[in-house]
Amino acid sequence: AQSVSQHNHHVILSEAASLELGCNYSYGGTVNLFWYVQYPGQHLQLLLKYFSGDPLVKGIKGFEAEFIKSKFSFNLRKPSVQWSDTAEYFCAVKPSGGRRALTFGSGTRLQVQP
Amino acid sequence: EPEVTQTPSHQVTQMGQEVILRCVPISNHLYFYWYRQILGQKVEFLVSFYNNEISEKSEIFDDQFSVERPDGSNFTLKIRSTKLEDSAMYFCASSDGPNTEAFFGQGTRLTVV
Repeated sequence: AQSVSQHNHHVILSEAASLELGCNYSYGGTVNLFWYVQYPGQHLQLLLKYFSGDPLVKGIKGFEAEFIKSKFSFNLRKPSVQWSDTAEYFCAVKPSGGRRALTFGSGTRLQVQP
Repeated sequence: EPEVTQTPSHQVTQMGQEVILRCVPISNHLYFYWYRQILGQKVEFLVSFYNNEISEKSEIFDDQFSVERPDGSNFTLKIRSTKLEDSAMYFCASSDGPNTEAFFGQGTRLTVV
C-alpha cells in the first residue's frame, strides 16, 4: 500500500517569504501526485497535479511542485507567500491506472503573518 | 463552475443512531468517493464507488458503513449505529475518470454525542 509523509506539520512565515513544503511518498509503481489546499472552513481544492511529462508542474495562485522520482518526492513551492495563503496543505498520491483512491499526507498548516 | 454539494453541513446525532450523509456529485462524473477527517488528523479514504458498486474500501469502512446511489444524482453514506469515534468531517468527492482530478465537496461535520 502507498503512504505519504509530510514532515512539516506547522510552518509560520512572514509575507513575501519563500515557501517549500516537503512531501515524500512510498509506492513501488507509477503514481499520480497532487497537492490540495484547505482554507479555513472550506473544502479541499486542487492546487496542482502531476501525471506525467515535465516534472515541474505549475498550479494555481503561483504554486509549483517538482516531482523527483529518485527521491520519491513532490515538494510544493511558492517564491513569495501572501497572508491569503494561510491554510492547510495536503499532499496526496494514487497509483496510476486502475481505480485506486487518493492517499493523503497528514497535512501542513501554513500560517502567514502580515 | 460545477461543484460537489453535500448536505447537511453539520449533523449532530446520538450514539447508536443511524445517519445518512448526502452528496450530489458533479453531473457527468462516474467515480465517487467518501473520505473523512477526524479533527486534527489526516484525510482518510473510506470507499470508492463506480458503476453501482464499491470499487475499493479501506479497513475503516466496516459493516456499519454502506453507500448507495439511490437515483441518478445522489450518492449517500449511511452509518448504521454511530459511535463517538465516528465524529469527523466527511468529504464526498467525484471524478470523471479513474485517473483524473477528484473534486471535493465542502464536507459534513458529524458530531456524535
